[in-house]
Amino acid sequence: QKEVEQDPGPLSVPEGAIVSLNCTYSNSAFQYFMWYRQYSRKGPELLMYTYSSGNKEDGRFTAQVDKSSKYISLFIRDSQPSDSATYLCAFTGGFKTIFGAGTRLFVKA
Amino acid sequence: GAVVSQHPSWVICKSGTSVKIECRSLDFQATTMFWYRQFPKQSLMLMATSNEGSKATYEQGVEKDKFLINHASLTLSTLTVTSAHPEDSSFYICSPKQGTYNEQFFGPGTRLTVL
Repeated sequence: QKEVEQDPGPLSVPEGAIVSLNCTYSNSAFQYFMWYRQYSRKGPELLMYTYSSGNKEDGRFTAQVDKSSKYISLFIRDSQPSDSATYLCAFTGGFKTIFGAGTRLFVKA
Repeated sequence: GAVVSQHPSWVICKSGTSVKIECRSLDFQATTMFWYRQFPKQSLMLMATSNEGSKATYEQGVEKDKFLINHASLTLSTLTVTSAHPEDSSFYICSPKQGTYNEQFFGPGTRLTVL
C-alpha cells in the first residue's frame, strides 16, 4: 500500500463549479496536512496547511481532514480558469514531507 | 508565504558541462534545504536533504558525486549538476525549511536542458 494515494486526473470542470480533490494516506504518524498548487513550469505554492481534523477555510478554498478515515480533501468553490493547475496533497509527521502524485485540474471558461 | 528565489530559471548546456543552480530564502533562515527533481507530468522526487553547514544526505539512487549540494549559509544553497547528460534534463526545485516549522515552501524552479 502506498503511503499516499492521489488520483492524477485530469479533472475537467466548467467555470463556476465546485471542485473536490482528495487524497488518502496510510501513515498514522502524519500530523500535518498541506495542499499545494503548481502551475506548469513553476514551483509548488502552498495553499492550505492544517493539523487537525475538521475544516479550514480560506477564501474559495476549504481544506478538510478526517484523521479517523485517513482522508483529506480540498474544495474549490466558484472555480475559475485561473485555478487550472496541478494540486498536490502533502503530509508530514516530522522531518520529511511526503507528496501525492498531484491531480491535474482544468477549469473551462 | 516565504519568499524563495532560484537562479537561473532556465538553462541550456552542452553535454559534459557542469551547471550550478542557486537557491536563496529571502525572508527567513533555512536550516534545512530539500532539493527535488520533477519530470514532465510527474510528481516531485526528493533528491537530497541538507542542513546548514553539514553534508547533504542523498536519496537512494541519486549520485552524490554528480549532484553536488552546498548549504553554506542559512539563506543560500547550491546544486551543481556535474558532467551533465541529456538524461539529467529536468525541472529542479529547491525547498527551504525553517527550524521546526512544518510548512515547506518552494523555489520557482530551474529548467535544465542538456543537449
